[in-house]
Parts: sequence; structure tokens; C-alpha cells
Amino acid sequence: EVQLVESGGGLVKPGGSLRLSCAASGFTFSSYSMNWVRQAPGKGLEWVSSISSSTSYIYYADSVKGRFTISRDNAKNSLYLQMNSLRADDTAVYYCARSVGKNKPGDYWGQGTLVTVSS
Amino acid sequence: SYVLTQPPSVSVAPGQTARITCGGNNIGSKRVHWYQQKPGQVPVLVVYDDGDRPSGIPDRFSGSNSGNTATLTISRVEAGDEAYYYCQVWDNSSDHRVFGGGTKLTVL
Repeated sequence: EVQLVESGGGLVKPGGSLRLSCAASGFTFSSYSMNWVRQAPGKGLEWVSSISSSTSYIYYADSVKGRFTISRDNAKNSLYLQMNSLRADDTAVYYCARSVGKNKPGDYWGQGTLVTVSS
Repeated sequence: SYVLTQPPSVSVAPGQTARITCGGNNIGSKRVHWYQQKPGQVPVLVVYDDGDRPSGIPDRFSGSNSGNTATLTISRVEAGDEAYYYCQVWDNSSDHRVFGGGTKLTVL
């Protein structure tokens, strides 16, 4: 069974940092691209970042470029999102999602982890 | 940047057909994916690559894509279909994954 479990969310002050993790199981992690998608309270889905299976390709939304860094450790079946210079509008539930490639959908999603940026 | 436009809401009576549109410049040249999200739940893929269904998704869900509009069609709508629906594409020009704003489907 495919499982994606996010962790690392919490309350952080504006300007602070947080590192999210996504632990994958039930599939060959190293064969899939991975994505972070967020959803602000009461709002729609917003793509944050994607990374290819071998880390050859990394993409970021304009709203996070230069502040967030996506990475993965295929030996540990884990995906990460390092978030720096956090702002109030980064407050959201952050989901990790698996996809076969950049043109393909997120076919499995984790339950999400809540990040709250507030003083 | 590429923009996907969805109507904020669509209402339909049980047993009828719901059509949710997703507009974008020449979207017909892209592969469109659709997600269903019920309140408090994780998004679920219901249609991918314009009109294919993942295993476990009823054949009441179908999709089409041409010109500047993609459409998710839900036939014989049930109360359990009430949810938000999001379209999504990959924009090669910007190397961005793009979501539509979402449509709330209300079953009357």
C-alpha cells in the first residue's frame, strides 16, 4: 500500500525557518517524481515545488523561489522541503504527492502537515 | 504565467449531469488532470490525461479537452459527489504545475 506521511509542521514566527519531511513507503520511491502542494485555510490548492526521481530537475513556484528548497534522499525514501524566510501567507497545509513525471498528476497524496506563520 | 479559470460553483440535482469547466489558453494542447476534495479530506485524483480514470473511480466521471476549455463531466450525480473539484496542468513555458481555483459542486 502506497503511503506518504508528512511531518515537521508547526507554529513559526515570520522570518523563521522550518523543514518538512515526507516519508514514503509501499512503492519504489526512487522511480517517482515528488511534489509539494499547499492549501491555505479555506483556499484552493497551490503547487509549491517538484523534484524529479534522480533530482536532475527541480522546479519552484514563483511565490517560494529563493526561500524554499526541495530535496530528497532515495536511500531513506524521504522527501524534504526546507522553508526559510517564512511569511504569514505561507500559512497552509502542506501535502506531498507522488507523480510519474512533471506532466503527470499527483496520484497519491499524504495527509498533510500544517504550517502556521504567526507572531 | 499560465492561468486556469474555473467557475466558483456548480449546482445540480441528484441523478442529473454536472459539467465543470476549466479554461486556459490553448489548454487543448496540454494534459489536464482533475482532483476531488471533500471537506477535511485529502485531494483524490478522479481523471487524468484529459479523460482517463484511475482504478476505483466510477465511470460516471469523465473528461474532455479541446481548444481553450477542458470539462469534467459527472453523470448520474450522487450526494456523495458534493465536493470541490480542481483542474491541473503542467505549463511547459514556465515549468510550473498549475491548479485552477477550484469549483464547489453542490448537489441540490
